[in-house]
Amino acid sequence: EDQVTQSPEALRLQEGESSSLNCSYTVSGLRGLFWYRQDPGKGPEFLFTLYSAGEEKEKERLKATLTKKESFLHITAPKPEDSATYLCAVQAGGYQKVTFGTGTKLQVIP
Amino acid sequence: DVKVTQSSRYLVKRTGEKVFLECVQDMDHENMFWYRQDPGLGLRLIYFSYDVKMKEKGDIPEGYSVSREKKERFSLILESASTNQTSMYLCATQGGNNYGYTFGSGTRLTVV
Repeated sequence: EDQVTQSPEALRLQEGESSSLNCSYTVSGLRGLFWYRQDPGKGPEFLFTLYSAGEEKEKERLKATLTKKESFLHITAPKPEDSATYLCAVQAGGYQKVTFGTGTKLQVIP
Repeated sequence: DVKVTQSSRYLVKRTGEKVFLECVQDMDHENMFWYRQDPGLGLRLIYFSYDVKMKEKGDIPEGYSVSREKKERFSLILESASTNQTSMYLCATQGGNNYGYTFGSGTRLTVV
């Protein structure tokens, strides 16, 4: 069974304090690994898709990386507006096989 | 940008009522999904659809059904609402070259 584990569950950072969120996964035949951002009371917003080990994607202060067993979401010099829950998901074996982690709730303090 | 619109942000229903949650997309995406999101459990797939009149069960279909009569509309039906169906319901489409989902804003359903 596909599994996604995110750590830590919650993270509190000072503005400008860089850090990383972790997503460990087990899946047979990875089709894609996804990162989403979710603000309270809203639906998740797509950030990145990673397809193979060694791949990296960047968007503003966010950078996602992928190995064969885990993905990291690096946040460089975060701002309070980066506060949100970040979700990781993996897709394998067909469209219906998307498994989500339970997320990391990030709080950035001014 | 793809827009996914869910008809209600908040709903309160009574136990035993039949509940309809509507989802409409404004792009030509074939794949549509219904998830529920609960604290500590993450997002769980209820049903999905590849095309009009096609539907497939997800991980937790019990107590739910779906309808897709038109490509842009995917409805989730709670046949007889129960308190354990109190949750945030999220509709999503999948398309484009990044395979990522576009989610609606969600419907927070409370069953009393």
